[in-house]
Parts: sequence; structure tokens; C-alpha cells
Amino acid sequence: QQPVQSPQAVILREGEDAVINCSSSKALYSVHWYRQKHGEAPVFLMILLKGGEQKGHDKISASFNEKKQQSSLYLTASQLSYSGTYFCGTERGSQGNLIFGKGTKLSVKP
Amino acid sequence: DTGVSQDPRHKITKRGQNVTFRCDPISEHNRLYWYRQTLGQGPEFLTYFQNEAQLEKSRLLSDRFSAERPKGSFSTLEIQRTEQGDSAMYLCASSYAEGPYEQYFGPGTRLTVT
Repeated sequence: QQPVQSPQAVILREGEDAVINCSSSKALYSVHWYRQKHGEAPVFLMILLKGGEQKGHDKISASFNEKKQQSSLYLTASQLSYSGTYFCGTERGSQGNLIFGKGTKLSVKP
Repeated sequence: DTGVSQDPRHKITKRGQNVTFRCDPISEHNRLYWYRQTLGQGPEFLTYFQNEAQLEKSRLLSDRFSAERPKGSFSTLEIQRTEQGDSAMYLCASSYAEGPYEQYFGPGTRLTVT
């Protein structure tokens, strides 16, 4: 079951904040977040595990609400380099094969 | 460079031809995954290996697709009798064998079937 990401696209000015959501109708074991720039491979950002804590590094953090089966990615004080498409990949059991959402395109303008 | 590498980066083939792609994972990683990505979509899981064993294959994967990892190092993905619908980016990723399976992707092979 493919997770649903929202919004589909967002445009920010440098320094603004954004939240990207990833929801599943099935119980999840983990949520993986990736950023992909045009023509490049997805780059790993972070994993959130069932029962785990909120993760974060620098100005990008994420949470996982097990009751809602929803993860949110928080980007604060956005930089131009944050532009790209953000994908969540979900895992129902601890197997490693991910089901990805359709992505959220983030554009940061100067 | 110790990242995941894929070869070739681009492949143009005529419908009905067979193609083979290669993936070299990060050397310490035991797991290797294949995904397919089309424009505007997220990567779609195809199959994965732990060492040389193929542990799962997507039900969506046609019998024309086969993957191998004979010595538990590099892997090949072959598509037989290619169709225009096979045109996509084929991504390889690798991870350690123990969870939580942080996957690191290679640059991909872009396949165009004419």
C-alpha cells in the first residue's frame, strides 16, 4: 500500500519553514526519508522506527506518530540547497524493502 | 569513491532486445536492492538480495526481469524482450544486513526503449 505524501508541492522563500507529511493506511515498522535532486539518485536523510524517538540533524527533523501511522518531516530556516523532491519510504516489517510515496517537490527561492 | 556504482549510466535499446545492468554496492554492505523509477514517481521496489540469496521479488515484476548476485558482491539485472513500458531509471541501493536498513542509492541506469 503506497503511502500518501502531502503536499504534492511547496514553494518557499529562503529562511521559511516547511512540513511534509507521509501517511499510511497500514501499520508501519519504519519510515525512511530521502531527498532527490533532478537527475540524481535519492539521498538518505533519516529513518524513524516504531517506538523510536524523533530524529533530526541540523535544521531537518522528523517525527513518527504510530497511532496515526503518519510521519512528518520538518525543514526549518530553509536554504536553497533544500530544493528537490522529498520521498518517504515505508516498511511494514523489518525486511528492508521500501514502498515509496509519490514525493513532495520543494522549491526554495532566494 | 566508495559509494554505490552502476553501469551503464544510460542505455538506449530497441524493443525486443535484451539488456543487462550492473550494480556494485558499498563494499561492507551485505544487502542489495533494485528499484525502478519513472518520471514523477517514487522508486518502486523490484527485488533484494542478502549476500547471494534473493530474498524477495516484487509480484509486479514480470518474468522478463531477472536479477543475480552470484558471489554476494555485484549484482546484475537483466530485462529480456524489452518493451517501451520498461523505459525508466533503474536504481540500485545497498545496506548492512542488520536493521534498520539505511539504504544508499547509486546514480541509476536510465533505460530508453525505442
